Amino acid sequence: DIVMTQTPLSLSVTPGQPASISCKSSQSLLHSDGKTYLYWYLQKPGQSPQLLIYEVSNRFSGVPDRFSGSGSGTDFTLKISRVEAEDVGVYYCMQSIQLPLALTFGGGTKVEIK
Amino acid sequence: EVQLVESGGGLVQPGGSLRLSCAASGFTFSSYAMSWVRQAPGKGLEWVSTISGSGGSTYYADSVKGRFTFSRDNSKNTLYLQMNSLRAEDTAVYYCAKLGTWFGELSALDYWGQGTLVTVSS
Repeated sequence: DIVMTQTPLSLSVTPGQPASISCKSSQSLLHSDGKTYLYWYLQKPGQSPQLLIYEVSNRFSGVPDRFSGSGSGTDFTLKISRVEAEDVGVYYCMQSIQLPLALTFGGGTKVEIK
Repeated sequence: EVQLVESGGGLVQPGGSLRLSCAASGFTFSSYAMSWVRQAPGKGLEWVSTISGSGGSTYYADSVKGRFTFSRDNSKNTLYLQMNSLRAEDTAVYYCAKLGTWFGELSALDYWGQGTLVTVSS
């Protein structure tokens, strides 16, 4: 299976300051169709995960533009330009390129407010 | 509005069985693959299984293969996860989630239910 590795494990951020999370995959997530199948999710405390970013850099419906994704191949980054209190929770990256179908998640990065 | 509502969780003894359900609404159910993802207490997310829109194709994590069976009834907009030979390590919140494609491959889990807790303990 493709292994997804996130760093750091946790992050404490002052409101209004930026934050960055890294995700590395054990294999390239670039498909022959030219798309890269890497996603970012946020699980707020006590809630189910919600999709933030799909295919590396596309914001899902309703996601604020302070969230952005970048990267290619095996190295990816989620950035929050100005962290707000509502952004606290655990962020996960996920890949969906593996065949036969097998989804794998990173271990998660917990974001807290200072 | 997409809604996914899981049910059927509870306490079961090791070696026992449980069937989870997930009722879906707000989208054309048969047009999308669906998945189960679980989260052990205090731990991260683990993909469990995916089923295609027709139900003709299913995929399982190695950790549950041969013990869990994923099915769907498109006439009732409902998913089922039959869990047999349960182990303590199956204890988790189980989420059903919608995929963005019919087949399930190369897709995000774009909508999630609130989850149902399964506890395997004697």
